[in-house]
Amino acid sequence: SQQGEEDPQALSIQEGENATMNCSYKTSINNLQWYRQNSGRGLVHLILIRSNEREKHSGRLRVTLDTSKKSSSLLITASRAADTASYFCATVRAQKLVFGQGTRLTINP
Amino acid sequence: DAMVIQNPRYQVTQFGKPVTLSCSQTLNHNVMYWYQQKSSQAPKLLFHYYDKDFNNEADTPDNFQSRRPNTSFCFLDIRSPGLGDAAMYLCATSQGTQSYNEQFFGPGTRLTVL
Repeated sequence: SQQGEEDPQALSIQEGENATMNCSYKTSINNLQWYRQNSGRGLVHLILIRSNEREKHSGRLRVTLDTSKKSSSLLITASRAADTASYFCATVRAQKLVFGQGTRLTINP
Repeated sequence: DAMVIQNPRYQVTQFGKPVTLSCSQTLNHNVMYWYQQKSSQAPKLLFHYYDKDFNNEADTPDNFQSRRPNTSFCFLDIRSPGLGDAAMYLCATSQGTQSYNEQFFGPGTRLTVL
């Protein structure tokens, strides 16, 4: 069963706009990870946020975590065409990564 | 560069004909994973090796097996592929299985079953 669920399932925006994706999870976590998957490729780790962190930045990425609401968000600022991909949140349960269903992000030039 | 390599990238097989997918890594990680990912779905863990210890997921069909002859290589064997086994198969590695361990993925093998 899924641990994380992403919202929205699909998002289409214009290049230069900001993109926000949300993830909700069910059980307590130590960390939450975000991955990107380009079409037909493997996943690439983007960022990890620990349960005692509220916000974390990496370049144009900003991740927030609200453990009281069991939710996380991924913000991509100043989007580029190359950001077109699926984005998955993932948590660890029983020593295994469990992925959400993902958000398919399309950046229109 | 250290990486995870999967071969072949595309595999076509016939219904019921055994097929083997391979994965190799230069990261020297002790954990290797196999995921199945169907279109527009999340990756689903099939099994993983922690060193030589094999860990099968409860809902992984018996049709799927794996071998890890050494640290660097891991194979996914599908004994009798069915049409429902057509998917992307992703190999991943990590150093440990703690929640802070990121996983490194290969590019995947897309399996077509005719």
